[in-house]
This record gives sequence, C-alpha cells and structure tokens, in this order.
Amino acid sequence: EVQLVESGGGLVQPGRSLRLSCAASGFTLSNYWMHWVRQAPGKGLVWVSRINGDGTYTTYADSVKGRFTISRDNAKNTLFLQMNSLRAEDTAVYYCAKDSRAGSFDYWGQGTLVTVSS
Amino acid sequence: EVVLTQSPGTLSLSPGERATLSCRASQSVSSTYLAWYHQKPGQAPRLLIYGASSRATGIPDRFSGSGSGTDFTLTISRLEPEDFAVYYCQQFGSSSYTFGQGTKLEIK
Repeated sequence: EVQLVESGGGLVQPGRSLRLSCAASGFTLSNYWMHWVRQAPGKGLVWVSRINGDGTYTTYADSVKGRFTISRDNAKNTLFLQMNSLRAEDTAVYYCAKDSRAGSFDYWGQGTLVTVSS
Repeated sequence: EVVLTQSPGTLSLSPGERATLSCRASQSVSSTYLAWYHQKPGQAPRLLIYGASSRATGIPDRFSGSGSGTDFTLTISRLEPEDFAVYYCQQFGSSSYTFGQGTKLEIK
C-alpha cells in the first residue's frame, strides 16, 4: 500500500525558514517523479514543485522560485522541501504527491500545515 | 500558464441525480494530461480521472470524463452520498501544472 506522510510544518515568522519532509512507503521512490502541492486555508490547490527520480531535475512555480528547494533521499525513502524567506502568503497545507506518469498525482499525503505569521 | 476555469462554482443536487461539471482551459490542453480530483473536508485530494477519460484505481464507473482541446467534462451518473465534495480539474503542460478553482458539489 502506497503511503506518504508529511512532517515539519508549524508556525514560523516571516523571513525565516522551514524544512518539510515526506516519508514514502509501498513503492520504489526512485522510480517516480514527486511533487509538492499546497492549499491556502479555504482556497484551491496550487502546484509548488517537482523533482525527477534521481533528483537531478527540478521545476518550481514562479511564486516560490529562488526561495524553495525540493530534494530527495531515495535511500531513506524521503522527499524534502526547504522553504526559505517565508512570507505570509506561503501559509498553507503542504501535500506531497506521487506522480502518476500521466501528468497527474495518484497518491497524496495527509498534508502538513505551515503558518507564516509574526 | 494555462488557466483552468471550472463551472458552476457550486452545484446543488440530490442523491441519485446526475452531475455534470465543466472545466475550460485558456488554451488547448493535451487530453493525455487532463485529470480530475475530488476533495472532502479535512482530507487530501483523490485522483478520479486521468488522461481526460481513464478512471483511476478503485474509482467506480459512475464517474466518467470526456472532452478535448479546451473543454472537458466530469460526469457522475448517479450521485451517492459520499460524492458530495469539491471537485478540481488539473492539467500538465510546458513543465507546469495548474488546477481549476474548484466546483463544490453540495446536497440539495
């Protein structure tokens, strides 16, 4: 059974950093692109970033480019999102999601809430 | 960036009725990369349809997707109580992914 479990969220002040983790199980992580998708309170879904299977290629949404870094440790079955220079508008539930190989996301974690506030 | 516009914003129907949800793209989208999800309160989204018309694993056949180019449709043939949720369409193209703003399907 595929499982994705995020952790690392919390309350952080504007301008500070936070690192999210996503522990994957039930599939071979290195065989799949992985993504982060976020959802601000009461709002819709927004794709944030993706990384290929061996971690050599990444893509970011314009809103986080230069501030966020996606990475992975396939040996530890874990995906990461390093978030720097956080802003109030980064407040959201952050989901990690597995790529379906068809341009969609077939498995999602339960999400971790990041709140950026002073 | 491709903008996806979903309609209606809210759809009020009764169990047993048929639901038709629309997703319109600002430019042509490959059918291969058009998906639908639903999301219940407090839960993560769940993939329903990928490739515009293929049901994801474990999705009942009352859910169907259709469309091409800029106009796509999700149809739920007979609504069950568990189908009332927010529905999102999503596309992939030019190394970017976008979602529609969502359609809330509520019990009438």
